[in-house]
Amino acid sequence: SQQGEEDPQALSIQEGENATMNCSYKTSINNLQWYRQNSGRGLVHLILIRSNEREKHSGRLRVTLDTSKKSSSLLITASRAADTASYFCATGGSETSGSRLTFGEGTQLTVNP
Amino acid sequence: ETGVTQTPRHLVMGMTNKKSLKCEQHLGHNAMYWYKQSAKKPLELMFVYNFKEQTENNSVPSRFSPECPNSSHLFLHLHTLQPEDSALYLCASSQVMGGKNIQYFGAGTRLSVL
Repeated sequence: SQQGEEDPQALSIQEGENATMNCSYKTSINNLQWYRQNSGRGLVHLILIRSNEREKHSGRLRVTLDTSKKSSSLLITASRAADTASYFCATGGSETSGSRLTFGEGTQLTVNP
Repeated sequence: ETGVTQTPRHLVMGMTNKKSLKCEQHLGHNAMYWYKQSAKKPLELMFVYNFKEQTENNSVPSRFSPECPNSSHLFLHLHTLQPEDSALYLCASSQVMGGKNIQYFGAGTRLSVL
C-alpha cells in the first residue's frame, strides 16, 4: 500500500472546531511534510518535521511525529471556512529516496461556516 | 504566488494532437518535477530533473516526453494521448539539500483528452 496514508479520507467540521488528520508511513524517513491543496490548484507546503522532532507548531497548526509507530498527525485549531482543502503528508529525504517525495492520498477537510 | 508558473492552465486536446505543457520557476531551485493527479488517486510522480539532468522516470508511457533546457524551465510534450490521461498535471521545484526537499508547486494544467 501507499507510503504516506492519511486518515480519515474526509472530515467535515464546524467553524471554530479543531481538525485532526493522521498519516502513516512504512519506510524510514529523514523528515515528514504536510501540504495543503485548494480544489484544482497546486499544493502548498505547510510544515516540515524532522525525524528527531516529536512536535512542531506553526500558527494554528500543530504536527506530531511518532517514528516508533511511523505515524504523524496534523492538528488545525480553531478552524475557519478558509481551511477547507485537501491535506497531504509527504515523506522523503532519506538516502534511498533522494529528491523523491511520496505523497499520501490526502484528507479532504470541509469546514462549515 | 509560489514562484512556479505553469501554462496553459486548461487544455483540451484530441487523441491525435500534439501539445506541450510549460513550467517555469523563478526560485533558483536545482530540481524540477512533473506530477499527475487524477481523481481519487494519490499524486503520481512522473519525472524528476536535477540540475537539468533527468534522474527519475517513473515508468511513464512514451507519449509523455519531458524536456528540461535549463534549470528554470521544464516542458512536458504530449502526443497521441488517451482519455485516461485526462488529469491535473502539476509542476514543482525544490532546492534539495541536507535531506530537506520542500517542494513549491505551480497551479497546474487541467488536461482533458477527448
